[in-house]
Amino acid sequence: EIVMTQSPATLSVSPGERATLSCRASQSVSSNLAWYQHKPGQAPRLLIYGASTRATGIPARFSGSGSGTEFTLTISSLQSEDFAVYYCQQFNNWPPWTFGQGTKVEIK
Amino acid sequence: QVQLQQWGAGLLKPSETLSLTCAVYGGSFNGYHWNWIRQPPGKGLEWIGEINHGGSTNYNPSLKSRVAISVDTSKNQFSLKVSSVTAADTAVYYCARLHSSGWYRLDYWGQGTPVTVSS
Repeated sequence: EIVMTQSPATLSVSPGERATLSCRASQSVSSNLAWYQHKPGQAPRLLIYGASTRATGIPARFSGSGSGTEFTLTISSLQSEDFAVYYCQQFNNWPPWTFGQGTKVEIK
Repeated sequence: QVQLQQWGAGLLKPSETLSLTCAVYGGSFNGYHWNWIRQPPGKGLEWIGEINHGGSTNYNPSLKSRVAISVDTSKNQFSLKVSSVTAADTAVYYCARLHSSGWYRLDYWGQGTPVTVSS
């Protein structure tokens, strides 16, 4: 099973600032990686797939990069609606399709 | 617009069987894998398993002995059963569509069903 490790666990950021979230895979997942945003009481929302492709309707302030074992989600200028938990998920080796443990982005 | 609507019993006793169903509205039912994911309280997301329209399944090895996913293509629905539940199965359960053309991703999700296992 591929283990996905996200860092940091919590990121405190002021509105308008840049947020950088990391996701590391225990072995190469190529670019088979997706990022999701999850707010309390809501379903997770797909942000990025293929490591760097924004999903339909996702604002350009969200960007993804990386391949192999190291990935980054960047939010260029945090808006109030961006405070949430973010998960990465690998689709290179199954079963299972594994998620990271999440990074909580909170208001500083 | 694709919508996933899920339902099922929200309160179970230990040793009972959890049963949830997810209906898919809009879009094609064929050509996708239909997934179940859960989130225990205070924890992250855990992939449970998936099924395609032909009934082929894949399960998380950690749950495989207790999980069964089935599909009813006549109704565009798929279902999850987890047997012999314990308090560790308490979670919000989500259904989701796996888009497997090109880069894989879970692109549409159900609203979530909270399930509590308590005596």
